[in-house]
Amino acid sequence: NAGVTQTPKFQVLKTGQSMTLQCAQDMNHEYMSWYRQDPGMGLRLIHYSVGAGITDQGEVPNGYNVSRSTTEDFPLRLLSAAPSQTSVYFCASSGEGRMNTEAFFGQGTRLTVV
Amino acid sequence: AQTVTQSQPEMSVQEAETVTLSCTYDTSESNYYLFWYKQPPSRQMILVIRQEAYKQQNATENRFSVNFQKAAKSFSLKISDSQLGDTAMYFCAFMKSVDMRFGAGTRLTVKP
Repeated sequence: NAGVTQTPKFQVLKTGQSMTLQCAQDMNHEYMSWYRQDPGMGLRLIHYSVGAGITDQGEVPNGYNVSRSTTEDFPLRLLSAAPSQTSVYFCASSGEGRMNTEAFFGQGTRLTVV
Repeated sequence: AQTVTQSQPEMSVQEAETVTLSCTYDTSESNYYLFWYKQPPSRQMILVIRQEAYKQQNATENRFSVNFQKAAKSFSLKISDSQLGDTAMYFCAFMKSVDMRFGAGTRLTVKP
């Protein structure tokens, strides 16, 4: 059982560089989301998707893009990295056709922007 | 928007003792889910317990139980017989549809 797989686990970027954080789930979940975790602030929702082809903004979407071309994959793109985007990023999935169920999390990506 | 507040940034407890972590939330919704997640140093988010708002009965999972007070919008976590492996960050979370909001977390240390 792979569950939710995030890659990479660690990444260092220079200001202005772009990159994509990968997220894949094998549980046939409809709902996927991206969070960032900063000290003293818990996890904050960046973007989410309720199914293939459908995405929406969360609490802190600026500076990030997402797409959902398949049920399994939900990549997060940083177009021009900034030091303020230094954080730990989590991908999560939930569903199997029902809302309001437990969210399963990936192991996180620690991103440092210098 | 829903907000979740955890007023205890850090707590400690002696092994085998009981500890209660506090959580309050603000919402105008009537149907929603509440969760407690544990995050050990490995960074993995692990579900501890879940409560459905329409259920009156408090959820329990082995040594973990909640005190859910819907009118007061309170959702505290009680850990009985604390173990060294319970040392972690604990996050309270509110979920309505796919919108999940987290508190800032409580760092719990279990002392031998």
